[in-house]
Amino acid sequence: GAVVSQHPSWVICKSGTSVKIECRSLDFQATTMFWYRQFPKQSLMLMATSNEGSKATYEQGVEKDKFLINHASLTLSTLTVTSAHPEDSSFYICSARLAGLRDTQYFGPGTRLTVL
Amino acid sequence: GESVGLHLPTLSVQEGDNSIINCAYSNSASDYFIWYKQESGKGPQFIIDIRSNMDKRQGQRVTVLLNKTVKHLSLQIAATQPGDSAVYFCALEETGRRALTFGSGTRLQVQP
Repeated sequence: GAVVSQHPSWVICKSGTSVKIECRSLDFQATTMFWYRQFPKQSLMLMATSNEGSKATYEQGVEKDKFLINHASLTLSTLTVTSAHPEDSSFYICSARLAGLRDTQYFGPGTRLTVL
Repeated sequence: GESVGLHLPTLSVQEGDNSIINCAYSNSASDYFIWYKQESGKGPQFIIDIRSNMDKRQGQRVTVLLNKTVKHLSLQIAATQPGDSAVYFCALEETGRRALTFGSGTRLQVQP
């Protein structure tokens, strides 16, 4: 199956700093990637849809200026958490779908963010 | 808005038994349904999917049933193994919207 990677797998940062998380589709091109957030013992909540070459579409309640998304190529999307605070601590997961096909989403392994 | 719910938050079964995990949804515009397995600290892993023009689909040891009349989806795991222990999520995609909406999840515990 298709492989999606994330980097880093975990990160600890101080409050007020910015953190960048990368999501890569390793063996396929993805015109669309998705970013989800998952708090402990909860389900995945969609944050935004990342479209290659255009602006991301954010879900209601997600601050676009705080969670910056860049989808610069067909294999890479980045999520930058700006001025992170402890309440941003969460498990961030990306997914990607095969370009041009209606197919299932393949998920990355997730990035654990802890803000001190 | 869409809501996707699960009937049982935790399911405990004996090794070798069959497991059934249920999911209810509310939006009749949903046309694609997926079951994911998530182990602790990992991303969701695709198990099986079904489109709205079908009511049953089988994979290896897994079967998904879709009842559009009552908006109900189930995942059946045959001969459950300890390695099946995880949280299982149903997810659905609405027509015209490519993002997924996830259910709240069911934790499956397999007792040896």
